[in-house]
Order: sequence, then C-alpha cells, then structure tokens
Amino acid sequence: EAGVTQFPSHSVIEKGQTVTLRCDPISGHDNLYWYRRVMGKEIKFLLHFVKESKQDESGMPNNRFLAERTGGTYSTLKVQPAELEDSGVYFCASSPRWTGAYEQYFGPGTRLTVT
Amino acid sequence: QKEVEQNSGPLSVPEGAIASLNCTYSDRGSQSFFWYRQYSGKSPELIMFIYSNGDKEDGRFTAQLNKASQYVSLLIRDSQPSDSATYLCAVPLPGNTPLVFGKGTRLSVIA
Repeated sequence: EAGVTQFPSHSVIEKGQTVTLRCDPISGHDNLYWYRRVMGKEIKFLLHFVKESKQDESGMPNNRFLAERTGGTYSTLKVQPAELEDSGVYFCASSPRWTGAYEQYFGPGTRLTVT
Repeated sequence: QKEVEQNSGPLSVPEGAIASLNCTYSDRGSQSFFWYRQYSGKSPELIMFIYSNGDKEDGRFTAQLNKASQYVSLLIRDSQPSDSATYLCAVPLPGNTPLVFGKGTRLSVIA
C-alpha cells in the first residue's frame, strides 16, 4: 500500500511568488491534515479536511494560504504571495475516517525556502 | 492553548543503555498521548500511544503516563544506533484529531 506522498520535495522561491504544494493521502483515508514546521519550532497544525470539507482551519496563519481538496482525494496548499517567514517544512498526514489521531500517517514533507 | 514541552537534547546514550525521553503537557483534560519518531529528513512515524495512567510496553519501548503530574515519558531499552532520531511527543486538540506537537528530543545512541 502506497503511503502519503507529497510534491515537490523541495521548493525554492522568491518572496512575492506563488507556490503550490500537493499531497496525495493514502487511498480511502477521509481525514487529511496539513502541518508546518518552521526552523527551530515545533510541528504546528494548519488545517484538517474530512473528505472535501474543511473541518478545522484554525491553524492557517493568514489569508495568503489557501487549501483545497477537490473531490476528496488529493489536496493542494497554495501560498500567495510567499513571505520569508513561510519557509519551513510542510507535512501532510492522513487517517481513516474514525481513527483520527490514533492512526495518522505522515508524508515526507515539502521543504519550502523563500528567499 | 495546549502546549507540549520537551527537552530538545541532544540526549546521548551508549548502545545497550536505556534512553529516557520526557514530555510535559499543559492541558489537564488531555486524554491521549502519542510518541512519534522522526529520522532526519523523513516523515514522523507513530511508534506508541497511551491513554491510561501507568505503563504501556511494546517491544523495547515503554510509554509511561502520569496524568496527575501531566507527564508522559518514553523509555527505550537496549538502545541501538538505529534508534538515533528525534522523538516527538503529541497530544490531540480537544474534540478533534489534529495534533499538538512538542519540539522533539534528539536522541543519539553511540556505538
């Protein structure tokens, strides 16, 4: 069974540019989460999808971040325009509908560098 | 606001020794606790969870929970160099499943 995959693995962009990160969850997992780790800080929750619906987006830092999960399969996280403080590693995780925190599988992350 | 605190380390132990990793949490209402292992450049991997006071053993790993002290720990017996990684403690947000993580403790097992 394929795990959670993320694309790209690395992205280097200039301040003011746009970047779109993609996450493909494990097939059949209704829950999809985005997290971010900024250098020197802990991994922080950004938002949670259940299928195509946003269940909780309380962790999204501001309106420069837009997440979508059309059709309830893969998800994208767009940052527009990117700022220096957006640099970090963006993780995606997925879990089956009813197991939630007890069975979250993480992807390898996308390392975003904004220069 | 839930907080999870961990000593960032590095914690160095000789091969074969017991590694003890500690975590404290701020929300007295927290019910379940998770330990993740993250190798450098890799994804966090769930190794154990615990929700009852006391000890829970799984192979060389033992999780210990003391809700009165708001303290959870992970013991790794017979530590191996392959255990060298960052260990993350995590607690679910109330009423939901997203996790609140500590900064992690970097463990180095010296051969």
